[in-house]
Amino acid sequence: GNSVTQMEGPVTLSEEAFLTINCTYTATGYPSLFWYVQYPGEGLQLLLKATKADDKGSNKGFEATYRKETTSFHLEKGSVQVSDSAVYFCALSDVGAAGNKLTFGGGTRVLVKP
Amino acid sequence: GAVVSQHPSRVICKSGTSVKIECRSLDFQATTMFWYRQFPKQSLMLMATSNEGSKATYEQGVEKDKFLINHASLTLSTLTVTSAHPEDSSFYICSARAPRDFYEQYFGPGTRLTVT
Repeated sequence: GNSVTQMEGPVTLSEEAFLTINCTYTATGYPSLFWYVQYPGEGLQLLLKATKADDKGSNKGFEATYRKETTSFHLEKGSVQVSDSAVYFCALSDVGAAGNKLTFGGGTRVLVKP
Repeated sequence: GAVVSQHPSRVICKSGTSVKIECRSLDFQATTMFWYRQFPKQSLMLMATSNEGSKATYEQGVEKDKFLINHASLTLSTLTVTSAHPEDSSFYICSARAPRDFYEQYFGPGTRLTVT
C-alpha cells in the first residue's frame, strides 16, 4: 500500500534560518504529492503540490521537487519567519482511485523563534 | 473561495450518547467529502469517503455502525458518533473535493470531541 514518511519534529529554528523537512514515499503507480500546513487552531491548508516527476511546487517561499528516482518530496524554505511556525504534513494522492484518497505522513512541527 | 466549515468546533458528551458533526462546503458543491481522525501529535487517518447520494465507503478497521456518515446534499455531510466512549475522543476533520479540482481537497477546521 501507499505510505509517506517524514522527519519527526519538533524542529526549532531561529528566524531567517534555512528549513528543510524530508519526505519520502512509497506508492504504486504515479501519485501526486502535496505539502499541507496546519497553523495552531486551524484546519489543514494546501501549501504546494506537484503532479508529476521533476515538477517543482512553490508557494510563500516554500519549494519542493517531485523526485521519482529517490521517491522524495522534501520541503525547503530559505529564510523562515515566526509566522511559519506550524505543523507540516507531506501527503500523496492515489491518482485515479475513486475518491482521490490522500495518505499523510506523520507531520512535522516547526517552531521558529525570533 | 473553497471554504469548508465544521460545526461544532468543540463538543463534550457523556459516554453512551451520540453526537453529530456537520461538514459544509460554503461556496462550492462537493461531490466527494472525506472524514479523518487525528490523534494528538499524530497524523490524519482517513475514516471514510462520502459521495453525495450514495453510501459512504469506510476504511478498513473503521466501524460503519459506530461512525454513521450521511452525505445528503452537495454541500453537507454529517458524521454521527453513536454510543460514544472515551476512546472516541479525538479531533475529527472533514475535507471536500470540488468537481473541478481532481487533486485538491479543502479541509475544515476540525471538531474536538471529548467523551466523558
